[in-house]
Amino acid sequence: DAKTTQPPSMDCAEGRAANLPCNHSTISGNEYVYWYRQIHSQGPQYIIHGLKNNETNEMASLIITEDRKSSTLILPHATLRDTAVYYCIVRGGSGNTPLVFGKGTRLSVIA
Amino acid sequence: GAGVSQTPSNKVTEKGKYVELRCDPISGHTALYWYRQSLGQGPEFLIYFQGTGAADDSGLPNDRFFAVRPEGSVSTLKIQRTERGDSAVYLCASSWGGASIDEQFFGPGTRLTVL
Repeated sequence: DAKTTQPPSMDCAEGRAANLPCNHSTISGNEYVYWYRQIHSQGPQYIIHGLKNNETNEMASLIITEDRKSSTLILPHATLRDTAVYYCIVRGGSGNTPLVFGKGTRLSVIA
Repeated sequence: GAGVSQTPSNKVTEKGKYVELRCDPISGHTALYWYRQSLGQGPEFLIYFQGTGAADDSGLPNDRFFAVRPEGSVSTLKIQRTERGDSAVYLCASSWGGASIDEQFFGPGTRLTVL
């Protein structure tokens, strides 16, 4: 079973920041938080991951709370092409473990 | 560069038939994963290869499902005596396999429909 909880859907106006929350209250010390997204009819795409520090790349920012029990993915300027299902995944830090997907959050970016 | 490719993109078969789904990972990636995605659900893990060997096959639903990767590159997922419940999108992913936090790159999937 997925170790994360996400809202099933969210809307965001085009050009505004999209903030997608994720709860992972049972995360253990060596587990990372990963975010993937899946655009309709495509395979999932990696976005970002982090352990305890906030992370930023060209796609998004990841904010992890100090107690690591929740995190927020931020898309700073959402576009219509960001409409997708976003998955928050907790994954062990040792070995190439499989990804355990939940149902994710369906983000709809509206013009 | 070339990403993960999967063939066929669509496969329609009849109940009871045998099917093979192919995955070509990114060149040099030693880790390869198969997932299955039913409508409205997130992908579900099936099997993971490190090189030629199956490192974890705990996600295979039953013995009708089998996968191979004989030369450590291309992998084939084989389903015997297909059932209507096997209808899903089958996704393949690969990663470098050298570090514990490697990003997985996914292919576009094969949509299997069992009539």
